[in-house]
Amino acid sequence: LAKTTQPISMDSYEGQEVNITCSHNNIATNDYITWYQQFPSQGPRFIIQGYKTKVTNEVASLFIPADRKSSTLSLPRVSLSDTAVYYCLLRASNFNKFYFGSGTKLNVKP
Amino acid sequence: NAGVTQTPKFQVLKTGQSMTLQCAQDMNHNSMYWYRQDPGMGLRLIYYSASEGTTDKGEVPNGYNVSRLNKREFSLRLESAAPSQTSVYFCASEGQGEFGELFFGEGSRLTVL
Repeated sequence: LAKTTQPISMDSYEGQEVNITCSHNNIATNDYITWYQQFPSQGPRFIIQGYKTKVTNEVASLFIPADRKSSTLSLPRVSLSDTAVYYCLLRASNFNKFYFGSGTKLNVKP
Repeated sequence: NAGVTQTPKFQVLKTGQSMTLQCAQDMNHNSMYWYRQDPGMGLRLIYYSASEGTTDKGEVPNGYNVSRLNKREFSLRLESAAPSQTSVYFCASEGQGEFGELFFGEGSRLTVL
């Protein structure tokens, strides 16, 4: 199973744009890149998913370069409520199992 | 709109005791999962079930058994609890839409003394 690597933690200030990069050098052709957010004492929740180029929704943007060996989750103008752990996963289109790594703990300061 | 419901939310066991964590989803999803999360760590997959009557091991299945008797429910059993199984356990079901995202329960916090 292809592994993902993320920074352990990041600090930011309210109103800034935050970019969290995930490395997945051994990504397979049928893998989608998926990001989840987890608040303390809660289960993770889905943020965004993409296969290539750029995907944007009401919460975040996901940038994927042509070689797909990395991806960047972009959170525009973060607030204190964005303080959470963010997980990058690879999800195969024909495979059920979801494996979470250690995630990136984002701390947004006032 | 309950989503994924886990019981109990909290449990304290003594070493060697057994217990079952219950999970039920009302979204008509086929696939369901059990994860554990140790303090300050990410989630690790224990078992998953692609459909009623089928189960498969994840990363850390030792010491656990699961049962998927119907589409709604997926239970996790600890036959002889050990302190190393102290953790927060999350159940999830997989949506059948475009993204196939996971929907998680609120978690069950288990302490084994």
